[in-house]
Amino acid sequence: NAGVTQTPKFQVLKTGQSMTLQCAQDMNHNSMYWYRQDPGMGLRLIYYSASEGTTDKGEVPNGYNVSRLNKREFSLRLESAAPSQTSVYFCASMQVWSSGANVLTFGAGSRLTVL
Amino acid sequence: AQTVTQSQPEMSVQEAETVTLSCTYDTSESDYYLFWYKQPPSRQMILVIRQEAYKQQNATENRFSVNFQKAAKSFSLKISDSQLGDAAMYFCAYRTFGNEKLTFGTGTRLTIIP
Repeated sequence: NAGVTQTPKFQVLKTGQSMTLQCAQDMNHNSMYWYRQDPGMGLRLIYYSASEGTTDKGEVPNGYNVSRLNKREFSLRLESAAPSQTSVYFCASMQVWSSGANVLTFGAGSRLTVL
Repeated sequence: AQTVTQSQPEMSVQEAETVTLSCTYDTSESDYYLFWYKQPPSRQMILVIRQEAYKQQNATENRFSVNFQKAAKSFSLKISDSQLGDAAMYFCAYRTFGNEKLTFGTGTRLTIIP
């Protein structure tokens, strides 16, 4: 089972360039997430999608856009990259039931450097 | 807003010894879930253990156990018989019942001394 697959794993951009991080899950999960990880900051939620066709802002949404293309795929776009967006990005998914300690399943991460 | 605090940026332990990582959280909710995730150098996030707030019994997974103190809003992770493969960043996380969003602490880097 592939789980959560995100691409690319590494990317270097120049300030002002745009790019899209792709994420796909094969577990039929309803909810999908994008987090960024920075030293000393832990993981911070950028955007999430509770179901196909819906998206909501997380803690640090500025400078990002997302698209829930279908149940499997959730992309993160940087329209005009800035050095402050240099980070490691994680996609995750989860099946949220009405009860139970449902668990996030993470992708392997994408390291983005903006020069 | 809920917050999760890990006050120990770094910890170290001798191989085969026991270490406890601290986590506190702030919430006004009564139903919620707590998690510990491990991130080894490979960068992959791996679930270590989880706890439902309504359960009084502390969760245990092999060498990993938690000390859940609901009134104190504390959720510490104990690793027994530490092994070299336990070296990683450990993140505490919180989620409210019925809420899709998981809030993470800033992490504790655990070093295992051979």
